[in-house]
Amino acid sequence: DTGVSQDPRHKITKRGQNVTFRCDPISEHNRLYWYRQTLGQGPEFLTYFQNEAQLEKSRLLSDRFSAERPKGSFSTLEIQRTEQGDSAMYLCASSQIAGRTYEQYFGPGTRLTVT
Amino acid sequence: DQQVKQNSPSLSVQEGRISILNCDYTNSMFDYFLWYKKYPAEGPTFLISISSIKDKNEDGRFTVFLNKSAKHLSLHIVPSQPGDSAVYFCAASALFRGNEKLTFGTGTRLTIIP
Repeated sequence: DTGVSQDPRHKITKRGQNVTFRCDPISEHNRLYWYRQTLGQGPEFLTYFQNEAQLEKSRLLSDRFSAERPKGSFSTLEIQRTEQGDSAMYLCASSQIAGRTYEQYFGPGTRLTVT
Repeated sequence: DQQVKQNSPSLSVQEGRISILNCDYTNSMFDYFLWYKKYPAEGPTFLISISSIKDKNEDGRFTVFLNKSAKHLSLHIVPSQPGDSAVYFCAASALFRGNEKLTFGTGTRLTIIP
């Protein structure tokens, strides 16, 4: 059973550096979502894809953030010129909205620390 | 504006008793609700969901109740077990109106006392 996987699990970077995270969804899922979670809060929506099309972006996703899902398979989330406020857990989820199944299944997350 | 609220940051329950976790929402467009469980250093794990056309959904020890008029839902865990100790998040979306993104509450930390 292969669930949602994310890589890396932890990333420490210096302010101003660029970072890229990868998410591999459950194989038959056509939807992929990115969320961000900070301490004491619930996950907050960033963006989502249906296949390779990016359908919605939150206003939380500033111009320094970009997400892609080439060929509708894995996805990458890049943060350019990182800031200390970017420190958070970045969560990926996937779903296959078909029949009566709508749940989003989450990966383990990538914890980003910007020093 | 917090559209999904979990007003109890923590809850302690004796093993074997019922755990009741509560959630309130303000957005009347929400029509699909989920509960997730989260252990430290892991992603949220899906537990149970309910659509707005129902008022109850049951899966094993977990039951979710939805009161649309009060904009309130609750998760009942019976009987509570030590492995249930985790942070529980309520989430909502306007799925059937074409908006899939989940809006989460801030979570309730459940501790089961052996």
